[in-house]
Amino acid sequence: AQSVAQPEDQVNVAEGNPLTVKCTYSVSGNPYLFWYVQYPNRGLQFLLKYITGDNLVKGSYGFEAEFNKSQTSFHLKKPSALVSDSALYFCAVSATSGGSYIPTFGRGTSLIVHP
Amino acid sequence: NAGVMQNPRHLVRRRGQEARLRCSPMKGHSHVYWYRQLPEEGLKFMVYLQKENIIDESGMPKERFSAEFPKEGPSILRIQQVVRGDSAAYFCASSPGQPQGDEQYFGPGTRLTVT
Repeated sequence: AQSVAQPEDQVNVAEGNPLTVKCTYSVSGNPYLFWYVQYPNRGLQFLLKYITGDNLVKGSYGFEAEFNKSQTSFHLKKPSALVSDSALYFCAVSATSGGSYIPTFGRGTSLIVHP
Repeated sequence: NAGVMQNPRHLVRRRGQEARLRCSPMKGHSHVYWYRQLPEEGLKFMVYLQKENIIDESGMPKERFSAEFPKEGPSILRIQQVVRGDSAAYFCASSPGQPQGDEQYFGPGTRLTVT
């Protein structure tokens, strides 16, 4: 069965500092990987995805993520955090073949950016 | 282009009543997914539907829960004889094509409270 681990329930960072939200995954075969963001009382919004090709994926609002096959990781990064980035972030994985094509989501990481 | 619409946004039911949650996908999207979100448990897949067909209901409880996506009208998630444990946020998402590799577009959710 495929799975996603977001090892940190909460990440705290000062505004202007770089941020990293960690994600590791387990899936049969090659993965499709996604990051979503959820603001309070809202649905999830798509940030970026990895399908194939370049391991560094750039997405919305200045976020990027790096696919690392050997470490089965897909960490979300941003060079300079904003207070408005404070939200709940979800990593998701689905299988290209042999596993479930329905995305499996992590439990989420709460990002708090302090002014 | 209107996003994914869900109604009601908040629903209060007494134990034993029925809850009906509605979801209208984005225009042009024929694939609908329902998820349940509980605090500190992340997003759990329930069911995947296309028009008039249930494609994958592996995440759906076997009793009291049902879903449909008729040829005309919104997708409906129905919970019969609700219990307190059904209290959660229920999110609908849609995608234009097959879930493999396609990001999903989420509605704002329906927050169900069972008293």
